[in-house]
Amino acid sequence: QKEVEQNSGPLSVPEGAIASLNCTYSDRGSQSFFWYRQYSGKSPELIMSIYSNGDKEDGRFTAQLNKASQYVSLLIRDSQPSDSATYLCASRRYNFNKFYFGSGTKLNVKP
Amino acid sequence: DVKVTQSSRYLVKRTGEKVFLECVQDMDHENMFWYRQDPGLGLRLIYFSYDVKMKEKGDIPEGYSVSREKKERFSLILESASTNQTSMYLCASKTPRGLETQYFGPGTRLLVL
Repeated sequence: QKEVEQNSGPLSVPEGAIASLNCTYSDRGSQSFFWYRQYSGKSPELIMSIYSNGDKEDGRFTAQLNKASQYVSLLIRDSQPSDSATYLCASRRYNFNKFYFGSGTKLNVKP
Repeated sequence: DVKVTQSSRYLVKRTGEKVFLECVQDMDHENMFWYRQDPGLGLRLIYFSYDVKMKEKGDIPEGYSVSREKKERFSLILESASTNQTSMYLCASKTPRGLETQYFGPGTRLLVL
């Protein structure tokens, strides 16, 4: 079992809709969670990090963490074609150097 | 802003060649990482370093070595390149304690013929 699991997609949403990306993790000791966006041929760029249960909002992005269910999600409101990319979920245990990455979910936002 | 740079964006090498990939960060971070990324396999950790001259193996260290002589520079070495090492190589640097986050360099796409 992989530490972090994501549906590979593709997830297709129309422009202006809410895109919902999901991620589960297996290590209950994980304390930090991250969402990265990766355009084709480019390196991952950090969108959001979340450490506490609940929601964290940043512009059109909302990260949600539920440690009891070991579940992390990313909502993208008012999706734009420029949001089309692969989204990577990552986790890390406190005081550990190693990050665990999911394989990514490909998002297509159709104009 | 954190800046992580990698020496090459694209490299073409021949089987058996020794290959050096260099990564430099300008934020005085102690922790640096080398990953490779392949379709369907995601990001896989090759090696990481938590200080100068200190290193730890990741999940797939075979066929690779690393060097960290200075804090800002972390090098990945392919001792004898093979075709199965054709991949995208990504270097990352991690912020210090507190909001510990990894930032990635632009990546090096390596083709081994």
